[in-house]
Amino acid sequence: AQSVTQLGSHVSVSEGALVLLRCNYSSSVPPYLFWYVQYPNQGLQLLLKYTTGATLVKGINGFEAEFKKSETSFHLTKPSAHMSDAAEYFCAYTNAGGTSYGKLTFGQGTILTVHP
Amino acid sequence: GAGVSQSPRYKVAKRGQDVALRCDPISGHVSLFWYQQALGQGPEFLTYFQNEAQLDKSGLPSDRFFAERPEGSVSTLKIQRTQQEDSAVYLCASSSGTGLGKLFFGSGTQLSVL
Repeated sequence: AQSVTQLGSHVSVSEGALVLLRCNYSSSVPPYLFWYVQYPNQGLQLLLKYTTGATLVKGINGFEAEFKKSETSFHLTKPSAHMSDAAEYFCAYTNAGGTSYGKLTFGQGTILTVHP
Repeated sequence: GAGVSQSPRYKVAKRGQDVALRCDPISGHVSLFWYQQALGQGPEFLTYFQNEAQLDKSGLPSDRFFAERPEGSVSTLKIQRTQQEDSAVYLCASSSGTGLGKLFFGSGTQLSVL
């Protein structure tokens, strides 16, 4: 069965520092991978997704992620953190050959705190 | 509407009560999904509709959970004889197609069973 593991339930960075949120997946079939962000009292918002093609994908708000098949990873990065980036981030997976691409398996989430 | 709307925002139920949670997807969206998010966890898939057809209900935890979308727009998730372990945030999401479309999530209904 497929699974998604996010390393670190809490990550704290200073404003202007690099943001690195880690995600590893387990799957026997090609994955589609996603990062979602959840601000307090708001719905999940899609940051970026990997389906096929270029393994480095860019998303909104300056975030990007790189799909590394050999490492089964899809880590999320941002060169310089802003206070507004403080939120909870979820990595998610779906089966590239599945019947519904909205049937996602989520990681447990990483809460990002940004210090002034 | 402008986004996915869920109601009520908060629901407190006594153990054994039945509850109904409503989801209004974005107008015209074909696909609709329900997820359950326990405290401190990521969302977990419950069920999926394409128009009015429920194509996948593999994530429903028991036969106390029932979902419907009779006219292919609004959906209701019903939980019968609620139990404490049902306490969670229930998220609804919709998308415009059946392919790899962007999912739009509602803010969720927080259910507390006492």
